[in-house]
Amino acid sequence: EPEVTQTPSHQVTQMGQEVILRCVPISNHLYFYWYRQILGQKVEFLVSFYNNEISEKSEIFDDQFSVERPDGSNFTLKIRSTKLEDSAMYFCASTRTGGNEQFFGPGTRLTVL
Amino acid sequence: GESVGLHLPTLSVQEGDNSIINCAYSNSASDYFIWYKQESGKGPQFIIDIRSNMDKRQGQRVTVLLNKTVKHLSLQIAATQPGDSAVYFCAEGDSWGKLQFGAGTQVVVTP
Repeated sequence: EPEVTQTPSHQVTQMGQEVILRCVPISNHLYFYWYRQILGQKVEFLVSFYNNEISEKSEIFDDQFSVERPDGSNFTLKIRSTKLEDSAMYFCASTRTGGNEQFFGPGTRLTVL
Repeated sequence: GESVGLHLPTLSVQEGDNSIINCAYSNSASDYFIWYKQESGKGPQFIIDIRSNMDKRQGQRVTVLLNKTVKHLSLQIAATQPGDSAVYFCAEGDSWGKLQFGAGTQVVVTP
């Protein structure tokens, strides 16, 4: 069964450093998302992406964040200058139709020291 | 470091019994509502959804009920099994697929 994959599974970085989190969505999916989950809290929407552009973003997704689909398979989230409060689990999701059943990846745990 | 998390409400269910998980939502303009299951260390997994113009939908061993009058959503799991132990989130969705998740309920299935 096809699945969303994410790398790395755990990223440790120093405050102020740039990180790139990578995702490979399911191959025939057209809509892509990033969410984050701070430890023990609810999942929070960051951004949605369709047709090579951002379709919606949350207040969390400020100028320090960017997304890119550099080729036909990868979908990346970049944080330019990480802060302590960026420490969280970051989930990528995708869906074919832009609707209800989003398939989530296993997540990348980002730890900012 | 990471912040201390919120304490999740917990539902303890005996194996074989039915479970009912409740959720209150806020946006009456949401197009659809979804239940996700999250096991420890994994991403959310889709269980079932319901469009805003419906009040009930059934899947395999699960039923979702939507009461728009009181903005309430519930998930019923029939014959709960040990593999059902997880955190369950309700989510509201818009037409672009943006999901807004609720706080979650921890379900613990006891033998």
